Parts: sequence; C-alpha cells; structure tokens
Amino acid sequence: AAGVIQSPRHLIKEKRETATLKCYPIPRHDTVYWYQQGPGQDPQFLISFYEKMQSDKGSIPDRFSAQQFSDYHSELNMSSLELGDSALYFCASRIQPGQVVPYNEQFFGPGTRLTVL
Amino acid sequence: AQTVTQSQPEMSVQEAETVTLSCTYDTSENNYYLFWYKQPPSRQMILVIRQEAYKQQNATENRFSVNFQKAAKSFSLKISDSQLGDTAMYFCAFMRSGNEKLTFGTGTRLTIIP
Repeated sequence: AAGVIQSPRHLIKEKRETATLKCYPIPRHDTVYWYQQGPGQDPQFLISFYEKMQSDKGSIPDRFSAQQFSDYHSELNMSSLELGDSALYFCASRIQPGQVVPYNEQFFGPGTRLTVL
Repeated sequence: AQTVTQSQPEMSVQEAETVTLSCTYDTSENNYYLFWYKQPPSRQMILVIRQEAYKQQNATENRFSVNFQKAAKSFSLKISDSQLGDTAMYFCAFMRSGNEKLTFGTGTRLTIIP
C-alpha cells in the first residue's frame, strides 16, 4: 500500500539558510499535518491543512511557512535557519473519517532529518 | 489545553514477559481519541493501538491491549509475550474530536532483553 512520502530524507544546512521540506500524502488523503521532533523529545504539532486551507496552527515559528497544493502535497518552508531547528520533521496525512476509515488516524511519513550547522 | 504524561522514561523487561506502560492525560473534553505510537530506532512513527473515548471496551490488537480508565484519565498499554522487535520508544497521544492534531507524551523507552 502507498505510504506518505517525504523528501528529502536528510538535509544539512548552514545557519541563516533556507530549507524546503516536501510531503506527498497517501492518495485520496486530503489532510496533512506537520510535526517537529527535536533530539530526545516528543513530536510537536506545527501546522495542518485540509483541502488546501490551513486548518490548525501550533507552535510554528514565524520564520516557517507552509502550504498545501492542488495535488494535496504540502511544503514546509523554513527561513533564517537556527541551530535549534535541527530536528526530525514528520508529515502525516489523513482522510476524512467515514469515507474509507471510520476513525481518525494519521499516517506518518518516514520524516526528514534536518541538521543545521 | 490537553496534556499527556508518561511517568516512566525507561523500562526494560525480559523477552516473553509482559510489560505495562503508563499514560495519564488531562482534558475537559468528553469526545476524544487516545493512541499509542511506537518509534523504533528507524524513527518511523507506527500506530500500535487506538481507543475511542466513547467506547467502554478496552481496545486489543494481538499482543497489545490497553486499560482505559476514563474517569481516572488513564490509558496504559500492556504488551504480552514481549519480543525483541518491541524494543522502541513508545508515545502516548491524545486527539480531541474535531481538532485533529496529536498531543504526545514525552515517551517511554522500552528495551526487551534477550
């Protein structure tokens, strides 16, 4: 079965550079979530999109922005990178309950490991 | 805001034994979902089991079962006949119905000893 695809899997950037992370949800999934997991920490919700509109926002820095495109893939843009941005960034996707699955389940991608030097 | 607490940072158990991981949460909501996720060394987040708050029956998935105590806001995970492949970080997570972001606990690192 198709899974959530994230690219790149690994990314190394210098301080003050920019980075773009991409997420391709499972086919027919219309909702995308972004989470940030720092070293030794639990995942923290950043932002989510439903049908190309922002649906919720968490602790996402102003330096970060994201969007969901017409094909439902999503991109997380990160500017003025700081050392503290080094983390594993997960994308998860979901389909609205009742269509295929009757419950709320988010399917996670493998993550993008961002290292800021 | 919801909070999820996992009071056991690390646990270890002999292979084939049973282990229980604890999770408590705080919410004023009545409709919500609870999950246990497994994160092995590959760092992939894998759903282990889920529980709908409106269901009184505890969820079971093969060797994994939960003890859901809604009044006590407790949601523990029991792993029976533990296997080496169960070695991982386990996160308890909360999702409010209608608000779909997951709130995670700090995790329990479980090691299965051969």
